[in-house]
Amino acid sequence: EAGVTQFPSHSVIEKGQTVTLRCDPISGHDNLYWYRRVMGKEIKFLLHFVKESKQDESGMPNNRFLAERTGGTYSTLKVQPAELEDSGVYFCASSPTGPKNQPQHFGDGTRLSIL
Amino acid sequence: QKEVEQNSGPLSVPEGAIASLNCTYSDRGSQSFFWYRQYSGKSPELIMFIYSNGDKEDGRFTAQLNKASQYVSLLIRDSQPSDSATYLCALYSGNTPLVFGKGTRLSVIA
Repeated sequence: EAGVTQFPSHSVIEKGQTVTLRCDPISGHDNLYWYRRVMGKEIKFLLHFVKESKQDESGMPNNRFLAERTGGTYSTLKVQPAELEDSGVYFCASSPTGPKNQPQHFGDGTRLSIL
Repeated sequence: QKEVEQNSGPLSVPEGAIASLNCTYSDRGSQSFFWYRQYSGKSPELIMFIYSNGDKEDGRFTAQLNKASQYVSLLIRDSQPSDSATYLCALYSGNTPLVFGKGTRLSVIA
C-alpha cells in the first residue's frame, strides 16, 4: 500500500511568488489534513478535509493560504503571495475516518524556503 | 502554558537500556494520545496510540496514560541505536485534529 506522498520535497522561492504544494493521501482515506512546522516550533494543524469538503480550517494562518481537494482525492495547498514567515515544513496526513480514534499517517513533508 | 509539553532533550541512553519519554498536557478533555517517531527529514511515523488510563504494550514499546495527572509516557525497552530519533507526543481533544509537542530527541549510544 502506497503511503502519503507529497510533492515537491523541497521548494525555494522568493518573497511575493506563488507556490503550490500537493498531497496524495493513502487510497481510500476520506480524511486529509495539512500541518506545518516552523523552525523551532511544534507541528501545528492547518486544515482538515473530509472528502472534498473542508471540515475544519481554523489553523489556516491567513487568506494567502488556499487549500483545495477537488474530487476528494489529492489536495493542493497554495501560498500566494509567499512571505518570509511562511518558511517551514508542510506535512500532509490522512486517515480512513475522523481524528478521534484513528491514527493519522503522515507524508515526508515539503520543505518550503522563502527568500 | 503550552498545550503539550515535552523535554526537548537530547535524552541519551546506552544500548540495551530502557528509554523513558514523557509528555504532559493541559487540556483535561483530551481523549486520544499518540506517539510518533521522526527521523531527520522523514515523516512522523506512528509508534503507539492510547485512549484509556493504564499501560499499553506493543513489542518493545509501552505507552502509559494517566489522565488524572495529565501525562502520557513512552517506554522503549532494550533500546537500539536505530531508535535514535525525535519522538513526538500528540493528542486529540475534540477540537484540533492533532496537537503536537515539540518532541524529544533520543540518542541511543552503542
